[in-house]
Amino acid sequence: EIVMTQSPATLSVSPGERATLSCRASQSVSSNLAWYQQKPGQAPRLLIYGASTRATGIPARFSGSGSGTEFTLTISSLQSEDFAVYYCQQYNNWLGTFGQGTKVEIK
Amino acid sequence: EVQLVESGGGLIQPGGSLRLSCAASGFTVSSNYMSWVRQAPGKGLEWVSVIYSGGSTYYADSVKGRFTISRDNSKNTLYLQMNSLRAEDTAVYYCARESTTGVIDYWGQGTLVTVSS
Repeated sequence: EIVMTQSPATLSVSPGERATLSCRASQSVSSNLAWYQQKPGQAPRLLIYGASTRATGIPARFSGSGSGTEFTLTISSLQSEDFAVYYCQQYNNWLGTFGQGTKVEIK
Repeated sequence: EVQLVESGGGLIQPGGSLRLSCAASGFTVSSNYMSWVRQAPGKGLEWVSVIYSGGSTYYADSVKGRFTISRDNSKNTLYLQMNSLRAEDTAVYYCARESTTGVIDYWGQGTLVTVSS
């Protein structure tokens, strides 16, 4: 099983500032990495797939980078609606494991 | 418009069985990879099972031998039969559609399963 590790667990950011979230895989997943956003009481929403491709309707302030084992999600200028929990997921094999999540909270 | 609507959750005693359903609209279940993902209260996401368009099925070790994923093509519906339920199976269960690359592009709203005596 590929283990996904996200850091930090919690990120305190002021509105308008940049947020950088990290995700590390225990072995290479190539570019088969997705990022999801989840708000309280809601289902997750796909933000990024293929490590760097924004899903339909996702604002340009969200960007993803990386390949192999190291990945980053950057939110360039945090808006109020961006405060949520973010999960990375590898889909390099049939067991699509998730990271434990990073909570982005208002500073 | 793609929609996934889960049902069948509820309170069940340890050792009991429950069947979750996921009614899909806006696409054909049998032509897609379909998954179940769960989330224990206050915890992260855990992938549970997938059924591929060709019919192959896979399970997380935590549910293997106890859960069965299936689909009814005539009803365009996905199922998860859960047997020998344990307290640690308590979670919101999400139905999800995967693209052929494995990315989950659509999620249902989830159904809560509580295993408790």
